[in-house]
Amino acid sequence: QQQVKQSPQSLIVQKGGISIINCAYENTAFDYFPWYQQFPGKGPALLIAIRPDVSEKKEGRFTISFNKSAKQFSLHIMDSQPGDSATYFCAATFLYSTLTFGKGTMLLVSP
Amino acid sequence: ETGVTQSPTHLIKTRGQQVTLRCSSQSGHNTVSWYQQALGQGPQFIFQYYREEENGRGNFPPRFSGLQFPNYSSELNVNALELDDSALYLCASSGPGVSNEQYFGPGTRLTVT
Repeated sequence: QQQVKQSPQSLIVQKGGISIINCAYENTAFDYFPWYQQFPGKGPALLIAIRPDVSEKKEGRFTISFNKSAKQFSLHIMDSQPGDSATYFCAATFLYSTLTFGKGTMLLVSP
Repeated sequence: ETGVTQSPTHLIKTRGQQVTLRCSSQSGHNTVSWYQQALGQGPQFIFQYYREEENGRGNFPPRFSGLQFPNYSSELNVNALELDDSALYLCASSGPGVSNEQYFGPGTRLTVT
């Protein structure tokens, strides 16, 4: 049973464009939703996270939008750069428990 | 860099053998979680240790076992290796105390032949 569904599987965006990655969850007990960025040969790096009491959180070029009623959240990367090319994972957790990850989105930002 | 280190970086083992992977958590963190990441997949939770006690376990068989030491470093042991155990094994640390923010090490790439 996949508790966090992520889409698309892969994404190609031109430099300067907006990258959008979507996730949907099933477990309404989830109370913390992080996004991780992973480069080849590296471990996932925490990028940005949100709790369900807010609908949006912005850090630099990265924004999380959260829709509690739809049980969906998304990552927006503004002004995408070639250096943003990586695999992005959404995740969810509750009560300081373990992370449940989506299957990942491979982002390629073309120059 | 997160301050979480793992060793070895790469490892090749034969089916049926045993392996031990090691993790040093970020300074001040007392919780360590282990994840298995198959190629092209998201990390899957194996188990978590808090103050040297197992604090949760994912859907992995008993041949996956672990330890956490007083300095909060940790080991993952896998017995009777199977071909499907080939993956990137990730360690993540968090804390002190209860915290959702988990910081990952670079992982150990295990290949079982």
